[in-house]
Amino acid sequence: KNQVEQSPQSLIILEGKNCTLQCNYTVSPFSNLRWYKQDTGRGPVSLTIMTFSENTKSNGRYTATLDADTKQSSLHITASQLSDSASYICVVIQTYNAGNMLTFGGGTRLMVKP
Amino acid sequence: NAGVTQTPKFQVLKTGQSMTLQCAQDMNHEYMSWYRQDPGMGLRLIHYSVGAGITDQGEVPNGYNVSRSTTEDFPLRLLSAAPSQTSVYFCASSPTSLGRAEDGYTFGSGTRLTVV
Repeated sequence: KNQVEQSPQSLIILEGKNCTLQCNYTVSPFSNLRWYKQDTGRGPVSLTIMTFSENTKSNGRYTATLDADTKQSSLHITASQLSDSASYICVVIQTYNAGNMLTFGGGTRLMVKP
Repeated sequence: NAGVTQTPKFQVLKTGQSMTLQCAQDMNHEYMSWYRQDPGMGLRLIHYSVGAGITDQGEVPNGYNVSRSTTEDFPLRLLSAAPSQTSVYFCASSPTSLGRAEDGYTFGSGTRLTVV
């Protein structure tokens, strides 16, 4: 069964510090891998989208990496801010002739403290 | 504002009651879907639609019905609510059903449902 596993489940860091979230997947082959940010009580919002051939993608202080050989992705957050407190979800997408399948990780809950 | 609108935001049901969760999008997206999110688990697909008049089952369809009479609306119906359906429900839409890198997924803000 295709799986997406994220670690750690939760993380607490101090404001201004950097952190890295991990995503390991067994989904293969896949079209693209996405990282989403989900604030409490809100729906997920896209941060980065990488195709299987890309190694890195940045969006401001967020940088995602992808290693298709080891089936691992990471999301690095630089100079964290209180507003970065949220859940971060890794999603792997497979495409077919007329459809798609999204496999979601369980998320990492990040808390940034002052 | 353009996006996906879900109503209600919160709902409490008694076991056996039925209800409809509403989802509307104004982006002319072809693809719409319903997910449920449970603690510690990834979002799981309930039902999806690749266009008006076309729906199909996802990973966890039992106990739910959908219809897609218009491009904009994709309601989710709980036929006879059970405590196992206590969850947060998200509606999402995308320009196409292909899941390409250029096809963003827009999620609604969610409906938190409690069945007692």
